[in-house]
Amino acid sequence: LAKTTQPISMDSYEGQEVNITCSHNNIATNDYITWYQQFPSQGPRFIIQGYKTKVTNEVASLFIPADRKSSTLSLPRVSLSDTAVYYCLVGGTGGSYIPTFGRGTSLIVHP
Amino acid sequence: DAGITQSPRYKITETGRQVTLMCHQTWSHSYMFWYRQDLGHGLRLIYYSAAADITDKGEVPDGYVVSRSKTENFPLTLESATRSQTSVYFCASRAGGKETQYFGPGTRLLVL
Repeated sequence: LAKTTQPISMDSYEGQEVNITCSHNNIATNDYITWYQQFPSQGPRFIIQGYKTKVTNEVASLFIPADRKSSTLSLPRVSLSDTAVYYCLVGGTGGSYIPTFGRGTSLIVHP
Repeated sequence: DAGITQSPRYKITETGRQVTLMCHQTWSHSYMFWYRQDLGHGLRLIYYSAAADITDKGEVPDGYVVSRSKTENFPLTLESATRSQTSVYFCASRAGGKETQYFGPGTRLLVL
């Protein structure tokens, strides 16, 4: 399984753009990159997934360079409600894939 | 309403007692998972199941037992609870071949 490395914590202020980078040097050809968000006292929830280049949805953007050895989750104009832990996962879409969440990145947004 | 539910949401028990945490999903997802979450450790996989009657160990299975007689249910049993099993437990499910996991609201367990 591809191992991921992401910062333990980040701080930002309301209205700023936040970029969280995840390293996954040994990503496999059929692996996708998926990000989850976890608010305090809740289970994680899916926010975005991508394979290459750029993916954007109503919550975030995901940038993946050509070598796919890293990825960057971008949160535009964060608010206090974006304070959460963000997890980067790498794995295939096959049914046998068992995801490993790790510790994630704790993002704190300040007023 | 469709989704994934866990019960109880909160549980206090004593060392040595048996405790069962319930997980139920209404999507007929093939895969189900149990995680525990502790400060400083993130989410750690305890057990998972690929289908009814198929279960396998995750990262931290010791002290836990699971079963899956029906696709929609995946109970987790602590046969003899210990203080180190005080944690927040999350159940999750996923459709076979799909990446996205859906998590339940969690069960906060305190072992005295």
